[in-house]
Amino acid sequence: KAGVTQTPRYLIKTRGQQVTLSCSPISGHRSVSWYQQTPGQGLQFLFEYFSETQRNKGNFPGRFSGRQFSNSRSEMNVSTLELGDSALYLCASSLLRDSYEQYFGPGTRLTVT
Amino acid sequence: DAKTTQPPSMDCAEGRAANLPCNHSTISGNEYVYWYRQIHSQGPQYIIHGLKNNETNEMASLIITEDRKSSTLILPHATLRDTAVYYCIVRVGSGAGSYQLTFGKGTKLSVIP
Repeated sequence: KAGVTQTPRYLIKTRGQQVTLSCSPISGHRSVSWYQQTPGQGLQFLFEYFSETQRNKGNFPGRFSGRQFSNSRSEMNVSTLELGDSALYLCASSLLRDSYEQYFGPGTRLTVT
Repeated sequence: DAKTTQPPSMDCAEGRAANLPCNHSTISGNEYVYWYRQIHSQGPQYIIHGLKNNETNEMASLIITEDRKSSTLILPHATLRDTAVYYCIVRVGSGAGSYQLTFGKGTKLSVIP
């Protein structure tokens, strides 16, 4: 079956703009989590969605938001972009919230100039 | 706060076993030990997990000490494709709790020809 897909794969934005990233989980998976990866901070948890509800949120400012649709697809939005938001944004899906295996997508590489 | 401690880097000769240690001295009774790896420019990949018994699958073996304060991931016959950053993570298994993966800095494993 198809893996987790993320679009776009690469994105260049300017400071102050906003951006929306998309994640399509593996068919049948209901839980979607987002992570940010930077060279300095490593992989950090952003938020988790299950059944269209945010279940958990990491320590990120309110500029970072997300949502999940009824088909489990998820989007995350970053408003008022800052240079420090340049990162690889990874989406992971799992069948259920406590499934032992999370499947990661290839990520979206966001560059803010 | 990091829950796990891993050496920052290790080398292993191709064809030999790679033994990656992890310290998780504050692990709780309901927390499992998970291992993921991230090959350059890809999303993390699940390897194996365990609670207190040793586990083995097609990719690796996981040895957990009796007091559960440390574990070792074993790749029995390392290949060049096993060069990656390996993350040891502790996470609740099921029931109430957070299911996010908290990544540390991991161990950069270099398999040498």
